[in-house]
Amino acid sequence: SQTIHQWPATLVQPVGSPLSLECTVEGTSNPNLYWYRQAAGRGLQLLFYSVGIGQISSEVPQNLSASRPQDRQFILSSKKLLLSDSGFYLCAWTARQGAYGYTFGSGTRLTVV
Amino acid sequence: DAKTTQPNSMESNEEEPVHLPCNHSTISGTDYIHWYRQLPSQGPEYVIHGLTSNVNNRMASLAIAEDRKSSTLILHRATLRDAAVYYCILSGSNAGGTSYGKLTFGQGTILTVHP
Repeated sequence: SQTIHQWPATLVQPVGSPLSLECTVEGTSNPNLYWYRQAAGRGLQLLFYSVGIGQISSEVPQNLSASRPQDRQFILSSKKLLLSDSGFYLCAWTARQGAYGYTFGSGTRLTVV
Repeated sequence: DAKTTQPNSMESNEEEPVHLPCNHSTISGTDYIHWYRQLPSQGPEYVIHGLTSNVNNRMASLAIAEDRKSSTLILHRATLRDAAVYYCILSGSNAGGTSYGKLTFGQGTILTVHP
């Protein structure tokens, strides 16, 4: 069966520090991968998506970047965090072929202080 | 991206059916209709999705209007564990039939279930 792992679950980082959040998927090949962010009390905002290794599309201009070094690994990064980067970050995947449901990770609660 | 419109909130009593509506009047022919729900501090959970025909699974049923401009998620017997934010989302596919499928979340419907 397919599973998605996301870590860490919570993170408190000072302003100006770097960030690296990792997401891995098991049990499938060539998944579409997504990073979402949810600010407190608001809906999910798509940040990045990837349809293959090294292929990253950005949905909104921001202080973050994403990379996909391996087929089932998706990384969200920042060189210098801002207070506005605080939020709940979610990774998700779906099968490339056809229209299947999406599976979300358990999320990372990031607080920038 | 085509948008969806949902009521901000709905209430139900335990053991009763719940019909959660969603309008998507600008849906395209290749858009799939997805429903997800989210509990506080958790990632969204897949509920159901469909294209044209009504769909049933162990969690819920999805009724899709004939013109596809609206749909209804049906929880047959609400339980307290069904209390969540429910999102109705359209997922596009390209002409080749493969899904690059970005999900664009709206604010969703907050479902409250009373004991």
